[in-house]
Amino acid sequence: AQTVTQSQPEMSVQEAETVTLSCTYDTSENNYYLFWYKQPPSRQMILVIRQEAYKQQNATENRFSVNFQKAAKSFSLKISDSQLGDTAMYFCAFMKAIPFSGGYNKLIFGAGTRLAVHP
Amino acid sequence: EPEVTQTPSHQVTQMGQEVILRCVPISNHLYFYWYRQILGQKVEFLVSFYNNEISEKSEIFDDQFSVERPDGSNFTLKIRSTKLEDSAMYFCASTRDYSQYFGPGTRLTVL
Repeated sequence: AQTVTQSQPEMSVQEAETVTLSCTYDTSENNYYLFWYKQPPSRQMILVIRQEAYKQQNATENRFSVNFQKAAKSFSLKISDSQLGDTAMYFCAFMKAIPFSGGYNKLIFGAGTRLAVHP
Repeated sequence: EPEVTQTPSHQVTQMGQEVILRCVPISNHLYFYWYRQILGQKVEFLVSFYNNEISEKSEIFDDQFSVERPDGSNFTLKIRSTKLEDSAMYFCASTRDYSQYFGPGTRLTVL
């Protein structure tokens, strides 16, 4: 069974600074997807970024980027130029890729990291 | 941009009562999911649904739970006889391009 571990329950950062959230996972699969979701106080789950395991290039979305280390089974999220609106819970999630299914499958989530951005 | 919607936003019910949580997935999506999040805990998978049938369900999804797509747009989760431990945030999600997009959630409170 796959597991996702987020070892930092809470983190804080000053506005405009850079912060990195850690995530490790355990799987014997070779084809999978990794995601970061943001959950602000409203509790909406917002997709931040996605990484395909078969891609060596790290995904980026504006101020958000990942460091994907497949051999180490590590998937960290870097937030650059942190903003007050980045204050939220951040969840790392794993999805096994099912062949010939279009890649649809359940998400397995980590326990989350609570990020506070201070002015 | 199309979004997943859920109703109601908050549901309060008495233990033993039936509740139906409703979701409208994004219109061109084919796979639908229900997850739940007990306050302060991780998000847990309940069930996935494709082509009008359940694709996979978790151990949580016992005989008290059922899902249905009664028409071309709605996707519902029914809990037949609610328990105190069913109090949680329930999220619907639908899939496009390998990424799942979540609705805003329904907060279920069982008294």
